[in-house]
Amino acid sequence: NAGVTQTPKFRVLKTGQSMTLLCAQDMNHEYMYWYRQDPGMGLRLIHYSVGEGTTAKGEVPDGYNVSRLKKQNFLLGLESAAPSQTSVYFCASSYPGPKVDLGYTFGSGTRLTVV
Amino acid sequence: DQQVKQNSPSLSVQEGRISILNCDYTNSMFDYFLWYKKYPAEGPTFLISISSIKDKNEDGRFTVFLNKSAKHLSLHIVPSQPGDSAVYFCAAKRGSTLGRLYFGRGTQLTVWP
Repeated sequence: NAGVTQTPKFRVLKTGQSMTLLCAQDMNHEYMYWYRQDPGMGLRLIHYSVGEGTTAKGEVPDGYNVSRLKKQNFLLGLESAAPSQTSVYFCASSYPGPKVDLGYTFGSGTRLTVV
Repeated sequence: DQQVKQNSPSLSVQEGRISILNCDYTNSMFDYFLWYKKYPAEGPTFLISISSIKDKNEDGRFTVFLNKSAKHLSLHIVPSQPGDSAVYFCAAKRGSTLGRLYFGRGTQLTVWP
């Protein structure tokens, strides 16, 4: 099982450029999430989705947009990259309902550097 | 405002000894707590969880204790092994579905031989 797959794994952007990070899961999970991890800051939620066609803001949504056109995919877009968006980005997915003990399944991350 | 706090950024323990990682939370509505383990260049992986109706959950070498009155939980690893060296994140949620998790900032555990 592939689980959660993130592409690309690494990327360097110039300030002002745009890009899209792709997350794909093959576990038929309803919920999907985008987090960023920065030194000393832990994991902070950017956006999340509770089902196909739905998205919602997390705690640090500014500068990002997302789309969930298909249940298995969750895209994170940066329209105009800024150095403050240099980070490691993690996608995760989960079941809703009673399977809470399974937690999230995370991807392996995308390391983004904005210069 | 950090609702889940891990006040120790690092912990160093000798192999075979007990590792105790601590976590505090401020939101009394949290009803489920989880621990994740993260190795460098990998995503976090689920380790163990506990419901707010329990005060202890055990899985092999890992035990999580919950003290609701103190809004405190801890992860015990006994015996610690070098392969346990990783960053450990505490997380919490509220409500009946998994949904959004609130994460602490993590504790780097180093187990030395």
